[in-house]
Formats: sequence, structure tokens, C-alpha cells
Amino acid sequence: QSVLTQPPSASGTPGQRVTISCSGSSSNIGTNYVYWYQQLPGTAPKLLIYRNNQRPSGIPDRFSGSKSGTSASLAISGLRSEDETDYYCATWDDSLSGWVFGGGTKLTVL
Amino acid sequence: QVQLVESGGGLVKPGGSLRLSCAASGFTFSDYYMSWIRQAPGKGLEWVSYISSSGSTIYYADSVKGRFTISRDNAKNSLFLQMNSLRAEDTAVYYCAREPSFDYWGQGTLVTVSS
Repeated sequence: QSVLTQPPSASGTPGQRVTISCSGSSSNIGTNYVYWYQQLPGTAPKLLIYRNNQRPSGIPDRFSGSKSGTSASLAISGLRSEDETDYYCATWDDSLSGWVFGGGTKLTVL
Repeated sequence: QVQLVESGGGLVKPGGSLRLSCAASGFTFSDYYMSWIRQAPGKGLEWVSYISSSGSTIYYADSVKGRFTISRDNAKNSLFLQMNSLRAEDTAVYYCAREPSFDYWGQGTLVTVSS
């Protein structure tokens, strides 16, 4: 059972906009930055969003992040077949004194 | 360019020990906090341990506290994870990653705990 709650799956059609949610609590998302990672099969995770809504260089602006209260979301617009993979949210938890991850969301492009 | 390369994984029996290493290059290693993160086969990501740039501050996940020890050698640009009393549930790919955003990850090293 992960400290951060993500839907196990999400789906959309090419060109569509999809959102993936990440729910936490006051000790984690409520007080700390949220990060999002994309993990292609057999590879290390890749940073997509840092500090709630910032994109590293090289990440397309199709990817965006937001945070409100104790929840955060990753939005992917203009969905492409190559976006079909796993996505994880993460943040620091002040109560646990450690990083916590969501359980991951598998995105399917129909 | 930034590079993180893990090594030291392998097959070990329950109760055994293993020491993982992470060689860093392409950035000033001594300026950065570092973490170990693992992923069991077919499962999600789990943070394991964190060490500050000087090594003075260390945190562990409850699942490994008392069994794993993180350390670093800034002179050799290296991060380590000493894993003792290994259990089957420690079987995973272990990644080292650069804080504070986990903006860079190594390729991972597989640890298999099995009799």
C-alpha cells in the first residue's frame, strides 16, 4: 500500500488530453513539492516534472503538472503512442522523514 | 555529461550481505545529496535511503532500517549501500539517483535474494 495514491491505469486516444492524479496528505503533498517520472519498460525512471509544475529541459510542453492541497496531477496533452508507459509521482514525507512514491499508473494509448 | 553507474548486484542467499556501489561522473558529486531507490520485479518504485552531501544526514525507509547502511566517498565520487540480513523481499533492481529531484538515475543493478 503506497503512501501516495495513483490510479493503477489510465487511457486515452491519440491527440486526447489525459490526467493522472496523485493523492497524499498534509505531511507529504500538502507541504512539499511533487515530482513526476516516466518509466519506459526495462529502463530507469526519467524526470518529467519537478517542483509541482516545472519541466526539465528537453521535456515537451505537452506534459504539465499541478498541485492543489494534498493532491497533484500530471496532464498529458496531444497524446502519442510513445506516451504509453508507466508514470509515478513522488514527494518528501515530513512524518516519515523519507521520500514516498505513488504506486504508479500504466497509461494506455488506445 | 552526468552519469551514474551502479554495480555490485547479484544472487545472494537469505541472511547474506551485499555491497552496492554507484560511480558518479560529470558533476560535482560532493555538492549533491544522493538516494538509493529500488524496484521489485513488476512492482513500483520504493525509496530506500538518502545521504546528504557531506554524509552527516542519513535517512532510511522503515523496511531496511537496521539492516542497510548508506555511505559515500566524495574523494572517489562514489555512493555505497551495504545490505545485510537480506530477505527475499529485498529482491529488486536498485538505482542510485541524484537529489533533490532525482533528475539523474543510474541504469540499476539487480539484487536477487534466494536460496
